[in-house]
Amino acid sequence: QLQLQESGPGLVKPSETLSLTCTVSGGSISSSSYYWGWIRQPPGKGLEWIGSIYYSGSTYYNPSLKSRVTISVDTSKNQFSLKLSSVTAADTAVYYCARPINHSLNNWFDPWGQGTLVTVSS
Amino acid sequence: DIQMTQSPSSVSASVGDRVTITCRASQGISSWLAWYQQKPGKAPKLLIYAASSLQSGVPSRFSGSGSGTDFTLTISSLQPEDFATYYCQQANSFLLTFGGGTKVEIK
Repeated sequence: QLQLQESGPGLVKPSETLSLTCTVSGGSISSSSYYWGWIRQPPGKGLEWIGSIYYSGSTYYNPSLKSRVTISVDTSKNQFSLKLSSVTAADTAVYYCARPINHSLNNWFDPWGQGTLVTVSS
Repeated sequence: DIQMTQSPSSVSASVGDRVTITCRASQGISSWLAWYQQKPGKAPKLLIYAASSLQSGVPSRFSGSGSGTDFTLTISSLQPEDFATYYCQQANSFLLTFGGGTKVEIK
């Protein structure tokens, strides 16, 4: 059964870079042609798609975040990662990684990781 | 961006009630719509995709309908475990967007 697990610092200072990793178990990133995604949810608010990465490394980002986002994949570790630069309090959110249900970029997500809360504060 | 508008933002209902939630897209999205259920402190769970296809393992009391711009999620007989927040999501474009959510509360 495929499982995803986010990891990274829970507290980031304003203007610094948020870095998270999603570790995939129960399946191989490199052997499956999926677009692995990052989604976030500010406390008490709705969901926002951040971006997705193909197993080969092609990336697609939300234009509202594109200038600050980098998503990368490390197939040797079966992980993909998110970096968000120049963070502000508005970037405080639960960050989820997820895999879509089929092989296209425009897609729906299942399964999801459990999520990790990142707070931006000095 | 395709904007997704859900209504109502919250609904109070009793166990056994039929509950209907709607989602409207700012432009036509064919059947590129999904519904998720989210409970406090948990990740969203996919219920319905392609507007009306039930995800594996999801109870049949959940159903989805619609196409184009107007969509509906129906819970035919509300169960205690169904009290949660529900989100729609469009996948018509590469810029994936979600609705604002509908909270189903106990009456």
